[in-house]
Amino acid sequence: DAMVIQNPRYQVTQFGKPVTLSCSQTLNHNVMYWYQQKSSQAPKLLFHYYDKDFNNEADTPDNFQSRRPNTSFCFLDIRSPGLGDAAMYLCATSRGVPDTQYFGPGTRLTVL
Amino acid sequence: AQKITQTQPGMFVQEKEAVTLDCTYDTSDPSYGLFWYKQPSSGEMIFLIYQGSYDQQNATEGRYSLNFQKARKSANLVISASQLGDSAMYFCAMREVTSGSRLTFGEGTQLTVNP
Repeated sequence: DAMVIQNPRYQVTQFGKPVTLSCSQTLNHNVMYWYQQKSSQAPKLLFHYYDKDFNNEADTPDNFQSRRPNTSFCFLDIRSPGLGDAAMYLCATSRGVPDTQYFGPGTRLTVL
Repeated sequence: AQKITQTQPGMFVQEKEAVTLDCTYDTSDPSYGLFWYKQPSSGEMIFLIYQGSYDQQNATEGRYSLNFQKARKSANLVISASQLGDSAMYFCAMREVTSGSRLTFGEGTQLTVNP
């Protein structure tokens, strides 16, 4: 089945230690998104790629970076995680910008 | 101002009954889309149903239907014949033409289905 896959499902890192979260998709969608969802809150868009074009949200901290080496994969890099970065990180894809976004299962990040 | 408002933090329903989850929105864009997602405790956001602002008929997908009242700016989700597996957080979201690809989510409604 076509799907959005996120690895790992659970990630524990130490304060200030860089961490990379992975997302892959078999839907062959053009657009990939990264959302941050803190406990009991709605998801918040961090950035998205339309093909290779990177689109950063204005309020996304510089601590968060992303890479999309090919259509199938997209990575979220957190350069120096702080305690406030502990959250669920959701990857989503869509065929085009106006199309429905389909989400992966998420990676729950814990910062010690 | 909130773009998406879900006024029910928590809802309870008996198994096999219908339930309506409220969603109101605020936009001046003539073209927009409204979405409902289900998020079980496992964390995955599951797409349920979509309504476009120009759609003449209310969207339906199996047991899910969207009661779209454009003049009132409401897009309520109706779940018929509730099942225990419907217990989850439900998010209403909107995409406006002027916001590009960004989905704006409401705060969510936690639905509990009782046996």
